[in-house]
Amino acid sequence: GESVGLHLPTLSVQEGDNSIINCAYSNSASDYFIWYKQESGKGPQFIIDIRSNMDKRQGQRVTVLLNKTVKHLSLQIAATQPGDSAVYFCAENTAAGTGFQKLVFGTGTRLLVSP
Amino acid sequence: DTGVSQDPRHKITKRGQNVTFRCDPISEHNRLYWYRQTLGQGPEFLTYFQNEAQLEKSRLLSDRFSAERPKGSFSTLEIQRTEQGDSAMYLCASSLLSGAGASLKYFGPGTRLTVT
Repeated sequence: GESVGLHLPTLSVQEGDNSIINCAYSNSASDYFIWYKQESGKGPQFIIDIRSNMDKRQGQRVTVLLNKTVKHLSLQIAATQPGDSAVYFCAENTAAGTGFQKLVFGTGTRLLVSP
Repeated sequence: DTGVSQDPRHKITKRGQNVTFRCDPISEHNRLYWYRQTLGQGPEFLTYFQNEAQLEKSRLLSDRFSAERPKGSFSTLEIQRTEQGDSAMYLCASSLLSGAGASLKYFGPGTRLTVT
């Protein structure tokens, strides 16, 4: 399949390590944030979300941290596996209060996991 | 339920031709979104439907683009007089109206358009 991102920032880790992917968002009024995983030739796959009234949320092997003061999100993946290799995007909902989601996506980070 | 589906998966067309893509959302989902993704970039919002009503359109959606959702189920996106700059992956997503189901958790596999 075609490459999702040709010149993306890349994070290379060893299998079993913890990974941290960072994202800066732009709109201080954004009320909701999502992390997606995207593999080549596929649509974005939802990983985890967080609302602006929270600063941390945990899922299975993943944790999202939100720092509204500096408009920063991070995604932590525990015990990274080769199957986690993909491009990861953060997205912010810029349509706060409207009832629908108008997502603005970040640049994306390519995660490469070596066995 | 098989999730959001899109057809075709790939489309190659010559500049100036018209193309139409189809999106079938998850059956009970009221909301349907179209996004566009170019190589090396994240997806960009194009338009949004609530049932059959198109409620929001991006400035990216020039007058060569038209989207419909006539019966509040499947949607079509048509591009007239295609240009090379239209080459991209066109993504569809769907969600429920409210609550946790309103999150954009379900994207389709996309339609990859190449304009030669």
